[in-house]
Amino acid sequence: EAQLLESGGGLVQPGGSLRLSCVASGFMFSRHWMSWVRQAPGRGLEWVANIKQDGSEKFYVDSVKGRFTISRDNDRNSLYLEMNSQRVEDTGVYYCARGAEIWNVWGQGTTVIVSS
Amino acid sequence: DIVMTQSPDSLAVSLGERATINCKSSQSVLYSSNNETYLAWYQQKPGQPPKLLIYWASTRDSGVPDRFSGSGSGTDFTLTISSLQAEDVAIYYCQQYYTTPFAFGPGTKVDLK
Repeated sequence: EAQLLESGGGLVQPGGSLRLSCVASGFMFSRHWMSWVRQAPGRGLEWVANIKQDGSEKFYVDSVKGRFTISRDNDRNSLYLEMNSQRVEDTGVYYCARGAEIWNVWGQGTTVIVSS
Repeated sequence: DIVMTQSPDSLAVSLGERATINCKSSQSVLYSSNNETYLAWYQQKPGQPPKLLIYWASTRDSGVPDRFSGSGSGTDFTLTISSLQAEDVAIYYCQQYYTTPFAFGPGTKVDLK
């Protein structure tokens, strides 16, 4: 069974940094685009970023460009999201999801709270 | 950016009755070169991540019951639950994947009457 497990969420001050991780199991991680999707209270679901199988292509929503970096390590079946210069509006549950543009496997999510 | 809207915000349906959810995109999500419609539907239950139900506007994902169906084209879409079951109580989201940023609708909450 395909599974994704996120970690790394927590409380961070505005302007701070956090690194999220996602470990995949039960499928060939290296064969799939991967994405991060977040869900903020009262703001619904928002696609954040995605990355090609070999990491050669990455795309971001405008609100995180220049602040967030998506990366992956296929040897470790792992996906990452480096979040810098965080803002209050980055608060939410961050999901790791399999796919480039539609997502048929999701993790349970990790919660990020940006607050002073 | 393409903006997605949904109606109604919520609806209450009796067990076994039909539930209909509407979704509208601010521009067409039909890609003329391949005649595919880049529209998906997800179901999210409390405390759980979203689950993909339908893609290409009308193709059910593997294992999705056939009481769920998607229809529509261009900018107007519908998700229909033909005979509501108790386990279908959830929030339903449409999503366009025609272009980045991929965007979700605000969701429609389905409850039992």
